[in-house]
Amino acid sequence: RKEVEQDPGPFNVPEGATVAFNCTYSNSASQSFFWYRQDCRKEPKLLMSVYSSGNEDGRFTAQLNRASQYISLLIRDSKLSDSATYLCVVPSGNTPLVFGKGTRLSVIA
Amino acid sequence: DVKVTQSSRYLVKRTGEKVFLECVQDMDHENMFWYRQDPGLGLRLIYFSYDVKMKEKGDIPEGYSVSREKKERFSLILESASTNQTSMYLCASSWTLSNQPQHFGDGTRLSIL
Repeated sequence: RKEVEQDPGPFNVPEGATVAFNCTYSNSASQSFFWYRQDCRKEPKLLMSVYSSGNEDGRFTAQLNRASQYISLLIRDSKLSDSATYLCVVPSGNTPLVFGKGTRLSVIA
Repeated sequence: DVKVTQSSRYLVKRTGEKVFLECVQDMDHENMFWYRQDPGLGLRLIYFSYDVKMKEKGDIPEGYSVSREKKERFSLILESASTNQTSMYLCASSWTLSNQPQHFGDGTRLSIL
């Protein structure tokens, strides 16, 4: 099983919609998780950290389900500016973070 | 705010050249990383360093080497550039190896002709 798996998308949603992405991971000892956002031809930027059951920041909510080993990112009231690739990031013991390949989101007017 | 600076945004080199990519961070981070990113393949770790003069191979170290002579600087070296090394190269740094987020530079888009 791959360490981190994400649906590559693309998810095409209208403005104002709510959209959710899931990310599954295989290392059950993982403690802290991250979501990054990456715009086309730019570097990944930290969007949210998830250290316990979840985290909320404005329109963005990240949730962690340890029993099923997945984390999710929920975006409410989608904006055109939310169009990007969202990377799920999982720790892997005493080695560097493992980055998923990302889920592409397109918000359409 | 963390600042990770990569020496070039765009670079064009020829096959067989020795290529140096430089990365500097200003947050006194112990850990630094080099990735390459290609369409459909995501971020792939080339090398990382957890301390000055220390280096560890990542997932795809072949054809690359690194140097960390000072804490703030981590260099990626392509010993003899080949066309399959044309890619986006991203440098990152972090406080810890796996429990804190990584902060990325702007990236270097390298073309090998």
